[in-house]
Amino acid sequence: SQKIEQNSEALNIQEGKTATLTCNYTNYSPAYLQWYRQDPGRGPVFLLLIRENEKEKRKERLKVTFDTTLKQSLFHITASQPADSATYLCAGGSTLGRLYFGRGTQLTVWP
Amino acid sequence: GAGVSQSPSNKVTEKGKDVELRCDPISGHTALYWYRQSLGQGLEFLIYFQGNSAPDKSGLPSDRFSAERTGGSVSTLTIQRTQQEDSAVYLCASSWTDYYEQYFGPGTRLTVT
Repeated sequence: SQKIEQNSEALNIQEGKTATLTCNYTNYSPAYLQWYRQDPGRGPVFLLLIRENEKEKRKERLKVTFDTTLKQSLFHITASQPADSATYLCAGGSTLGRLYFGRGTQLTVWP
Repeated sequence: GAGVSQSPSNKVTEKGKDVELRCDPISGHTALYWYRQSLGQGLEFLIYFQGNSAPDKSGLPSDRFSAERTGGSVSTLTIQRTQQEDSAVYLCASSWTDYYEQYFGPGTRLTVT
């Protein structure tokens, strides 16, 4: 069955460093990948979408890549801040139908 | 504009009772999704509505769960004969259509005692 895997359950980094989160997919080829941020007690909030024909997308301090050969997406937060601490979810989808979400990576940025 | 709203925000019910959870999507969004999230777990897909198409019910965990979407807008998720394992946060999301980002509501925290 289709699967989105975020292998790191938790990532701890120092403020100012670049956080890199990994998302792998198996048993299907998503047309696009999305990244969401979820804070405790809140619903996920959309951050970025990248299509399969795009190598890289940027938004402010965020960067996401899509490597169809490795079947992987990397999500980067540069110059990380304690306010970036949250759970980050990766999701894959096709042109029709539902998204498949990974279990998320909990990022903690310490001062 | 208004985001996705869900009601109630919290629901405590006794085992065996039926519950209804409501979702009001963003106006104009044709796609609507229900998810379940248990403590410390990822999002578990339940059901997906797109326009007038038949819903994708492949994520419903048992026949005690059902959902409907009236007039292409408001949706209700019904859980019959609730069990303790149904305790979770139920999240609703909507989007313009399949390909676009999803906007999530704040969720309904269901506790079955």
